[in-house]
Amino acid sequence: EAGVAQSPRYKIIEKRQSVAFWCNPISGHATLYWYQQILGQGPKLLIQFQNNGVVDDSQLPKDRFSAERLKGVDSTLKIQPAKLEDSAVYLCASSTHRVKESGNTIYFGEGSWLTVV
Amino acid sequence: KQEVTQIPAALSVPEGENLVLNCSFTDSAIYNLQWFRQDPGKGLTSLLLIQSSQREQTSGRLNASLDKSSGRSTLYIAASQPGDSATYLCAFGGSARQLTFGSGTQLTVLP
Repeated sequence: EAGVAQSPRYKIIEKRQSVAFWCNPISGHATLYWYQQILGQGPKLLIQFQNNGVVDDSQLPKDRFSAERLKGVDSTLKIQPAKLEDSAVYLCASSTHRVKESGNTIYFGEGSWLTVV
Repeated sequence: KQEVTQIPAALSVPEGENLVLNCSFTDSAIYNLQWFRQDPGKGLTSLLLIQSSQREQTSGRLNASLDKSSGRSTLYIAASQPGDSATYLCAFGGSARQLTFGSGTQLTVLP
């Protein structure tokens, strides 16, 4: 089975510019996550989708970050304007489980590496 | 707020040694606990998933245990190999089925 696909893999931008990351989850996975991983830290959840609805975006900096999942499949994460502290790996993940069901394995993509200079 | 702590932050062992990685969490309302492996420049690969009703899971040379009462999980790696070198992350699965990660243990197995 194909894994979680992300693009671009690497991006370097100047502060105050904008950037967008794309994610294609594993086919049939209803739940999609975006995580931010700063160097030396564990991933931090930014937003969780169930199909095309937002389950949790409490840690998403909404003044500069936005995400959408049209048609409940692919998702895009946008940052505008970028700050130096946004330099991180942005990981997309997907899983089969619904919010109220017992947990299943979560599958991660290889990440999109962002450097803001 | 859930906090997940991993000790040690880094570990270096000679090949063949058995080792234990530790993970502790503060919230007792746990649904599952997962251990992941992350290689440099790569995403995360799920190693073991322990449901809250279970006490341990095994896969090959890996064994993970869960003690909800003490808020701890351990990952035991038997007969370590250089190919086991990576960062190991534990993740707490809470009520919303989100994962809260620790900062990881960077493992180096020396040939």
